[in-house]
Amino acid sequence: AAGVIQSPRHLIKEKRETATLKCYPIPRHDTVYWYQQGPGQDPQFLISFYEKMQSDKGSIPDRFSAQQFSDYHSELNMSSLELGDSALYFCASSPSRNSYEQYFGPGTRLTVT
Amino acid sequence: GNSVTQMEGPVTLSEEAFLTINCTYTATGYPSLFWYVQYPGEGLQLLLKATKADDKGSNKGFEATYRKETTSFHLEKGSVQVSDSAVYFCALKKISGGSNYKLTFGKGTLLTVNP
Repeated sequence: AAGVIQSPRHLIKEKRETATLKCYPIPRHDTVYWYQQGPGQDPQFLISFYEKMQSDKGSIPDRFSAQQFSDYHSELNMSSLELGDSALYFCASSPSRNSYEQYFGPGTRLTVT
Repeated sequence: GNSVTQMEGPVTLSEEAFLTINCTYTATGYPSLFWYVQYPGEGLQLLLKATKADDKGSNKGFEATYRKETTSFHLEKGSVQVSDSAVYFCALKKISGGSNYKLTFGKGTLLTVNP
C-alpha cells in the first residue's frame, strides 16, 4: 500500500540558509499535518492543512511557512535556519479532516551546522 | 490545554517479560487516545487506538484500555520480544479551535528488550 512520502530524507544546511521539505500524502488523503521532533523529544505539532487551506497552527516559528498544493502535496519552507531547528520533521496525512487516523511519513532529518 | 504524561524510561526487560507503560492524560471532553511506536531511524507507526471510554485497543499482542475515570491509557503486553525494542509514544487527539485533529504526544518511553 502507498505510504506518505517525504523528501529529502536527510538535509544538511548552514545557519541562516533556507530549506524546503516536501510531503506527498497517501493518495486521496486531503489533510496534511507537520510535526517537529527534536533530539530525544516528543513530536510537536507545527501546522496542518485541509483541502489546500491552513486549518490549524501550532508552535511554528514565523521563519517557517507552509502550503498545500492542488495535488495535495505540502511543502514546509524554513528560512534563516538556526542550530535549534535541527530535528526530525514528520508529515502525516489523513483521509479526511474528521478522521481519527494519521499516517506518518518516515521523516526528514534536518541538520543545521 | 491538552497534555499527556507517560512513564519515563528507559525500560529494560528480558524477553518474554510482562510490559506496562503508564500513560495518563488531561483534556476536556472526550479525546481519542493512541499509542504510536517509533523504531530506530524510522517514522511513527500507529500501534493501537481507542476512541471512547472503556474501549480496548489491541494490536500485535499489545493492549490498552481507555479509562475515563482514571484518565489513563496504559500500554501492556504479556510477553515482549527483542523486536519490540523501540520508543513508545502515548498521544491524544481532540478538535482544536474548531479545526481538525492534531495529535498531542507524551515524552516517549524507550523500551529495550534483551534476549
